[in-house]
Amino acid sequence: QSVLTQPPSVSAAPGQKVTISCSGSSSNIENNYVSWFQQFPGTAPKLLIYDNDQRPSGIPDRFSGSKSGTSATLGITGLQTGDEADYYCGTWDNSLSAGAFGGGTKLTVL
Amino acid sequence: QVQLVQSGAEVKNPGASVKVSCKASGYTFTSYYIHWVRQAPGQGLEWMGIINPSGGTRLYAEKLQDRVTMTSDTSTSTVYMDLNNLRSEDTAIYYCARGPKNTPSLRWLDPWGQGTLVTVSS
Repeated sequence: QSVLTQPPSVSAAPGQKVTISCSGSSSNIENNYVSWFQQFPGTAPKLLIYDNDQRPSGIPDRFSGSKSGTSATLGITGLQTGDEADYYCGTWDNSLSAGAFGGGTKLTVL
Repeated sequence: QVQLVQSGAEVKNPGASVKVSCKASGYTFTSYYIHWVRQAPGQGLEWMGIINPSGGTRLYAEKLQDRVTMTSDTSTSTVYMDLNNLRSEDTAIYYCARGPKNTPSLRWLDPWGQGTLVTVSS
């Protein structure tokens, strides 16, 4: 099982907003930066959010990240059909001395 | 541009070993860590380990610790991931990704290699 917990799937209509949660603990999320990745079928993951809430250049401001305590959240506004993908959170776990990913969330834009 | 290019797909028998390469370009090779992440068919991302290409830090996931070795060749800006005693459950796409240096973390991983499919089957 994954160290970080994400919902398996979320869905919303085009133009709407969706949030994806990532739940962890004091050994990982609470004391480390969180990143988020977007993955389309058959392609490598792509960095979406780094350092909890920062967007790399080229990532639209429709995507946002936040962190509070032992949880992090990815927000996507103005949903587009092209946003349909799998989304993963990641962070470091101090107890394991290892990286950790959430199980992934499949976004469906209805 | 910053790029990681991985070696091609492999098919291996159970019990064999596989060595996947990850060649970096477009940046100072020794200034960033490299992470290895794998993804079994239809499954999520699994962190495998991290290496400092200039030497020193190497950390492996506990479940793989006795079977995985990560090395680097600064003369060719290439990192290698060696996995031995392969089992069917090792069938996956293996990715390398560049990460921050100074301290192991997942603050960011960018870019990622294109992935290498390793199939373990008799």
